[in-house]
Amino acid sequence: GESVGLHLPTLSVQEGDNSIINCAYSNSASDYFIWYKQESGKGPQFIIDIRSNMDKRQGQRVTVLLNKTVKHLSLQIAATQPGDSAVYFCAEQYNQGGKLIFGQGTELSVKP
Amino acid sequence: NAGVTQTPKFQVLKTGQSMTLQCAQDMNHNSMYWYRQDPGMGLRLIYYSASEGTTDKGEVPNGYNVSRLNKREFSLRLESAAPSQTSVYFCAARGSGTDTQYFGPGTRLTVL
Repeated sequence: GESVGLHLPTLSVQEGDNSIINCAYSNSASDYFIWYKQESGKGPQFIIDIRSNMDKRQGQRVTVLLNKTVKHLSLQIAATQPGDSAVYFCAEQYNQGGKLIFGQGTELSVKP
Repeated sequence: NAGVTQTPKFQVLKTGQSMTLQCAQDMNHNSMYWYRQDPGMGLRLIYYSASEGTTDKGEVPNGYNVSRLNKREFSLRLESAAPSQTSVYFCAARGSGTDTQYFGPGTRLTVL
């Protein structure tokens, strides 16, 4: 079945460095993608999203890149801070009703 | 403005017991969702409600029932809890004209 997967289950970076979290999706019909941040014991928090008619979108310190040719999504975090430490999930949507399919998640650890 | 709230935060049940997880949103959103999250995994959709008065099955609906009580509230019921239903349950809401889902803080359920 369709799935959304992450290439790296854990990522450790130094404070101040840039982080890149990758995600592969399998359904070429997906038209909406979203990244969530989840801190321990909390619900997923919206970070940034992108539609399939775009290949890049920027937010505050975050950028999402979409490569539909290879069905790849990435989240870039600039100047990573200790507060960025969390698990990051990508999700895709390819049907009506807003049903999201989530990936496994990548744990980002920021070393001071 | 609390967004999405869930009660209870924690619950321990014995096998065969029943309970209802409550979710409420104050964002006037039409669509609401119930997910479960198992350790080291992404979220999986249990049921969703595209609008008041409608509900539909998601990826893992077996063992659950839902009620969209009104536009604000969407409850999830376990009629006869099983250890396999030990998980963290998240509720989410999505407004019309947007694909972004906003999540509640979760309910941690343990079934012994």
